[in-house]
Amino acid sequence: GQQVMQIPQYQHVQEGEDFTTYCNSSTTLSNIQWYKQRPGGHPVFLIQLVKSGEVKKQKRLTFQFGEAKKNSSLHITATQTTDVGTYFCAGAQSGGYQKVTFGTGTKLQVIP
Amino acid sequence: EAQVTQNPRYLITVTGKKLTVTCSQNMNHEYMSWYRQDPGLGLRQIYYSMNVEVTDKGDVPEGYKVSRKEKRNFPLILESPSPNQTSLYFCASTPSGGTFATNEKLFFGSGTQLSVL
Repeated sequence: GQQVMQIPQYQHVQEGEDFTTYCNSSTTLSNIQWYKQRPGGHPVFLIQLVKSGEVKKQKRLTFQFGEAKKNSSLHITATQTTDVGTYFCAGAQSGGYQKVTFGTGTKLQVIP
Repeated sequence: EAQVTQNPRYLITVTGKKLTVTCSQNMNHEYMSWYRQDPGLGLRQIYYSMNVEVTDKGDVPEGYKVSRKEKRNFPLILESPSPNQTSLYFCASTPSGGTFATNEKLFFGSGTQLSVL
């Protein structure tokens, strides 16, 4: 079955440093979504990428979808303590029912 | 307020004692799904439902049952819980039948932390 891996599993950064998490799928994806889960909270949708090579920005967050539609990344510029949490990618397979497989997640800790 | 409501928030039980975790959404969503979250494994899908009376297995369905008698409710049933089902569980829903069209996103409940002793 489809597998979606994320690296790193954990990341500690000093406040103000940049952070990147990478997502790799074993199969070609129809689209990819990113979610953020604050400590003690539930995953919340951030963004969806659909096109090959697509890049989207949300303030300090930059999301990329690979040319082959098998990988994606989330980059945070100048992290803040409010960025703390676990970031998940979720890849949707092609087809009538686009099964979504979540990545293993990257837990970000920001040291003030 | 549009939301997905899960109950209970925390549950401690013993091996073999049947339990049900409830999930309800007030957004008239067709698609509902259950996930379990374990460290290092991310969110894994247990069961999903594309509409009333339509359910199907996800990636880790063993030891779980679900039903979808009404559009708004999607309970998760553990007939005989075991310690390896200790986990954080999330219910989620989305408007369509899971086609995940542009910017169609999953709405998650607040989660149920289950401990099976």
